[in-house]
Amino acid sequence: NAGVMQNPRHLVRRRGQEARLRCSPMKGHSHVYWYRQLPEEGLKFMVYLQKENIIDESGMPKERFSAEFPKEGPSILRIQQVVRGDSAAYFCASSTGADYGYTFGSGTRLTVV
Amino acid sequence: RKEVEQDPGPFNVPEGATVAFNCTYSNSASQSFFWYRQDCRKEPKLLMSVYSSGNEDGRFTAQLNRASQYISLLIRDSKLSDSATYLCVVNIAGNTPLVFGKGTRLSVIA
Repeated sequence: NAGVMQNPRHLVRRRGQEARLRCSPMKGHSHVYWYRQLPEEGLKFMVYLQKENIIDESGMPKERFSAEFPKEGPSILRIQQVVRGDSAAYFCASSTGADYGYTFGSGTRLTVV
Repeated sequence: RKEVEQDPGPFNVPEGATVAFNCTYSNSASQSFFWYRQDCRKEPKLLMSVYSSGNEDGRFTAQLNRASQYISLLIRDSKLSDSATYLCVVNIAGNTPLVFGKGTRLSVIA
């Protein structure tokens, strides 16, 4: 049973480009969460999705950021027109429900140059 | 007041020592509590859930004090491999995302 799969592990983008981060949840998990972690900082919630629905996007910047979890395929976090401040580790987690804790993927480390 | 607060440390302890971390949370309606462990440049991993009656898993003991709104983690007989950042995590309501503290860094020294 594969865990939460994220790709790519490392992503380098120039300012102004788009970044696409992918996350496949654990088998049987229908809840997906995206978190961002800046160097020496804690995990900050961005968005919570279930299949085809955004449940809570209160932690996601209103501009340039979007997320989806289609009926088929992985969840995608998209950052348009990246800026240096977007450089961070982006972690995806999945669960059967928050009461049981989350399983995290290995993360995508985004570097904007 | 931050939702989940932890002493960032670092806690530097010798092998074999007992070390305890505390964490406070602001929302009295919080329902579920966890400790996660995060190694440098790795993903967080669930260490243990925290139950109202307190629970133990080997060398690790977690306790919850709802009246004072704090959670503790006790590590006995510290090993070098325990060196990591320990994250206190709170779930406020069933269908809301987990809230993570910034973590407490532990270094176990030979």
